[in-house]
Amino acid sequence: IAGITQAPTSQILAAGRRMTLRCTQDMRHNAMYWYRQDLGLGLRLIHYSNTAGTTGKGEVPDGYSVSRANTDDFPLTLASAVPSQTSVYFCASSDSGAGVNEQFFGPGTRLTVL
Amino acid sequence: AQSVTQLGSHVSVSEGALVLLRCNYSSSVPPYLFWYVQYPNQGLQLLLKYTSAATLVKGINGFEAEFKKSETSFHLTKPSAHMSDAAEYFCAVSDQGNYQLIWGAGTKLIIKP
Repeated sequence: IAGITQAPTSQILAAGRRMTLRCTQDMRHNAMYWYRQDLGLGLRLIHYSNTAGTTGKGEVPDGYSVSRANTDDFPLTLASAVPSQTSVYFCASSDSGAGVNEQFFGPGTRLTVL
Repeated sequence: AQSVTQLGSHVSVSEGALVLLRCNYSSSVPPYLFWYVQYPNQGLQLLLKYTSAATLVKGINGFEAEFKKSETSFHLTKPSAHMSDAAEYFCAVSDQGNYQLIWGAGTKLIIKP
């Protein structure tokens, strides 16, 4: 069982370029999340999806978009990257039907925007 | 709105000493509470969780946490620190029925030889 996979592991990107970070889970969890982690700021929620076909905005959604076409995949797109989007991005999932909302995390994508 | 406060962005202890990482939450209704650990260059993994059963919760790697409603606290402890415990620790809270977690800012645990 892989759990959650993220790709790429790391990426250096020129400002203004479009980038999609991939996230796939094999646990059949209905809820998925994207966070960014920056030094001193902890984890901040970018977007979430409570079930396939629905998405919502988190704390810091500007400059990012997501889609949830099926249960397993939850890609995060930066339409036109800016240096302030340099961060480590984590995808997570949870089984909201279990009631407790324990979240499971992927290994992260380290993104540098120059 | 729920909030989580972790006291101390860095905590330094000697190997073999007691580890105490503090977490306080703001809620009038006892929530679900979590501690996660993040080792360098890795994702977060669950250490332990409180789900309104026993107030003393035991987790992996010898860690435990006690839920104290009167103090709105969920501090993480380990009797004897190991070098391998060096990591960042995050406290999180979820209101019952809410799909999202509210995260503390994290505490970096440093173990001195």
